[in-house]
Amino acid sequence: AQKVTQAQTEISVVEKEDVTLDCVYETRDTTYYLFWYKQPPSGELVFLIRRNSFDEQNEISGRYSWNFQKSTSSFNFTITASQVVDSAVYFCALSERPEYGNKLVFGAGTILRVKS
Amino acid sequence: NAGVTQTPKFRILKIGQSMTLQCTQDMNHNYMYWYRQDPGMGLKLIYYSVGAGITDKGEVPNGYNVSRSTTEDFPLRLELAAPSQTSVYFCASSRRTGSGNTIYFGEGSWLTVV
Repeated sequence: AQKVTQAQTEISVVEKEDVTLDCVYETRDTTYYLFWYKQPPSGELVFLIRRNSFDEQNEISGRYSWNFQKSTSSFNFTITASQVVDSAVYFCALSERPEYGNKLVFGAGTILRVKS
Repeated sequence: NAGVTQTPKFRILKIGQSMTLQCTQDMNHNYMYWYRQDPGMGLKLIYYSVGAGITDKGEVPNGYNVSRSTTEDFPLRLELAAPSQTSVYFCASSRRTGSGNTIYFGEGSWLTVV
């Protein structure tokens, strides 16, 4: 069975600090996809990134970066120079191969509070 | 760009009442999903559909029903509402294959059963 663990329930940082959100996953599949979503206080889910299991390149998008390591089954998310607007719940999720339905398994989420 | 649209956004139900959460998408996606999010938890899959006329249970299907008569619509029916169904419900959709299998979510429907 697939499982996603976000061990950090809540993180508080001061603005401009860097912060890393951890994500560890379990799956028996060799083909899978990993996602990060942001849920701001308004409640919607905002897609941040999708990574397939064959692409271990790290990715950077502005202040956001992701570190995918198959050896440790981790897909960690770093925010550099955090801002108050980054305050949200962040979810890591795992999906199986598209032909099996693209069903997402979510972690419990990490609440990030950025204080000014 | 409408994307995934769900209605209603907020609803209060009494125990034992029934209701339907509506979901429609305009991206011609094959796959559609219903998730629920309980306070402080991640989302859990209720039902999903891989195409019109095809539906299947997810992790937490009890107390719900779905239908998929068209590609665009995927309503979720709550029969005999219970307090345990108080939650935020998200509808989502995605393409079947290729680089476009990102899952897009609606804005959520807040349901309270009292």
